[in-house]
Amino acid sequence: SQQGEEDPQALSIQEGENATMNCSYKTSINNLQWYRQNSGRGLVHLILIRSNEREKHSGRLRVTLDTSKKSSSLLITASRAADTASYFCATAYNYQLIWGAGTKLIIKP
Amino acid sequence: GAGVSQSPSNKVTEKGKDVELRCDPISGHTALYWYRQRLGQGLEFLIYFQGNSAPDKSGLPSDRFSAERTGESVSTLTIQRTQQEDSAVYLCASSQRTDYNEQFFGPGTRLTVL
Repeated sequence: SQQGEEDPQALSIQEGENATMNCSYKTSINNLQWYRQNSGRGLVHLILIRSNEREKHSGRLRVTLDTSKKSSSLLITASRAADTASYFCATAYNYQLIWGAGTKLIIKP
Repeated sequence: GAGVSQSPSNKVTEKGKDVELRCDPISGHTALYWYRQRLGQGLEFLIYFQGNSAPDKSGLPSDRFSAERTGESVSTLTIQRTQQEDSAVYLCASSQRTDYNEQFFGPGTRLTVL
């Protein structure tokens, strides 16, 4: 069963704008990971944040984690057309990754 | 080095036939996962292999589904007597360790059951 719930389900913004996606989950986690999926490169790992971390950066990506609210956000700054993809959060529970249904992001040129 | 590979990339079959999907993980990765992804949805866990330990089959949806892995190499997912609801993309991933490292995914096999 899915644990993560991404919000919004779909997001369309202009190139250059920032995109924010949220993820909520239900149980305790060891870490939370964000992945990107597009037709060209398949499913690719973006960033991992451990349960004892609150914020992490990687290039134009910023991830926050609030374990008290069981939620995470992914911010993509200065979006580009190549960022068009579906973004999934996945929570590590035991040795499994439990996935949300994803946010579909469209960057308009 | 090479990433995770899967074959075939596309498979069209008739209802009731058996299909076999193959996954070649990254060399040295001890953990291997199979997932199913229906159109517009997230990933559904099917089965997990870790080294020589007994696999976790808790995600397999029915006894028509089975999977094998030879040591820490190739894995095959078999679906017997396919049904139309089995139509999906089947993704394989491997991981270097099971302490929640990132998973590396193959391109998937798109299965269509007519």
